[in-house]
Amino acid sequence: EDQVTQSPEALRLQEGESSSLNCSYTVSGLRGLFWYRQDPGKGPEFLFTLYSAGEEKEKERLKATLTKKESFLHITAPKPEDSATYLCAVQALIKAAGNKLTFGGGTRVLVKP
Amino acid sequence: GAVVSQHPSRVICKSGTSVKIECRSLDFQATTMFWYRQFPKQSLMLMATSNEGSKATYEQGVEKDKFLINHASLTLSTLTVTSAHPEDSSFYICSARGTGAYEQYFGPGTRLTVT
Repeated sequence: EDQVTQSPEALRLQEGESSSLNCSYTVSGLRGLFWYRQDPGKGPEFLFTLYSAGEEKEKERLKATLTKKESFLHITAPKPEDSATYLCAVQALIKAAGNKLTFGGGTRVLVKP
Repeated sequence: GAVVSQHPSRVICKSGTSVKIECRSLDFQATTMFWYRQFPKQSLMLMATSNEGSKATYEQGVEKDKFLINHASLTLSTLTVTSAHPEDSSFYICSARGTGAYEQYFGPGTRLTVT
């Protein structure tokens, strides 16, 4: 069974204090690993897709990296508007899994000014 | 691009009534749509997957007669909560995947409150 574990559950940062979020996964063949951002009371917003170990993607202050067992979301010099819950999800290669995503529990990030 | 809408954003209904939630892909054709449920401070729980023109595939433990899903076109899927009860109160979110794509794009969610 595919599993995704995110850590820490919650993260409090001062504005400008860089940090990293971890997403550990076990999956029967990885088709893709996805990062989303979710604000309270809203649907998740797509950030990145990573397909293979060694791949990196960047968007503004966010950078996502992927290894064979985990992914990191690095937040560089965060601002208060980066406060949100960040969700990691994996999609398995096997046909039986369809196109389902398996989500982690999320990391709630609070950036204080 | 890749915008998904949901309607309504909030709905309050009485116990025993049915509620329909619409999910539309506005600028792409959604081969597959997904319905999720989310409880406060928890992650998303997949309820069902629907492909256009086919019957939905429900996750284990989800009552298909209670949560009716229709995916009649490449841009519209509906979730009907039948005979709703207070325990069905939750945040329902849909997502859509385009042809040949792997990413799912999410709608803004619908807050259902059953009194």
